[in-house]
Amino acid sequence: DSGVTQTPKHLITATGQRVTLRCSPRSGDLSVYWYQQSLDQGLQFLIQYYNGEERAKGNILERFSAQQFPDLHSELNLSSLELGDSALYFCASSVGFSQGEKLFFGSGTQLSVL
Amino acid sequence: GESVGLHLPTLSVQEGDNSIINCAYSNSASDYFIWYKQESGKGPQFIIDIRSNMDKRQGQRVTVLLNKTVKHLSLQIAATQPGDSAVYFCAVPEKAGGTSYGKLTFGQGTILTVHP
Repeated sequence: DSGVTQTPKHLITATGQRVTLRCSPRSGDLSVYWYQQSLDQGLQFLIQYYNGEERAKGNILERFSAQQFPDLHSELNLSSLELGDSALYFCASSVGFSQGEKLFFGSGTQLSVL
Repeated sequence: GESVGLHLPTLSVQEGDNSIINCAYSNSASDYFIWYKQESGKGPQFIIDIRSNMDKRQGQRVTVLLNKTVKHLSLQIAATQPGDSAVYFCAVPEKAGGTSYGKLTFGQGTILTVHP
């Protein structure tokens, strides 16, 4: 168990809908990261928050947004969903964001857009 | 941007054999490398890392070798066990958002299957 909790584990929805994925980092970790894993793109970095503030951004679509709350949990919001958004979404956490920081990944949320 | 790839997408070995998983990277400025293991239904799990000032690092049953000349690293697993069956990724942290190294670029992954 990595200590990172993601809910829900599975999510099935329809095109055009909006969903929220939730992540609770390991106790004491201030950094939260979101990654997307799909068969064609592999594991892709989406966005990072550190202590409530956006720290780094990757190839995240404008339809997607995230935030980190004062209690350090994070939510990834996906809107106007398309079939191609079906993927496994991982949250990871670390103490900080320096080189050499170990990232601990949750078990992911499997999103299926029908 | 960084590109990290793997030579072999699948690897099948017998229990007790040694396994070698390879990875190529494109950015010669990369100075830190990580191997992750992803079991079915789970997120990636850190295995071992290596900095560019080293060419070899050993852990428990695992060894990572780094060849900066040809931009190649490998993960060696000794006495492979059925529990080692998983997808293995190499990853390279990149600077993003100024000083943050949280952006990992992952390779495609190698599926390791260990037969009893």
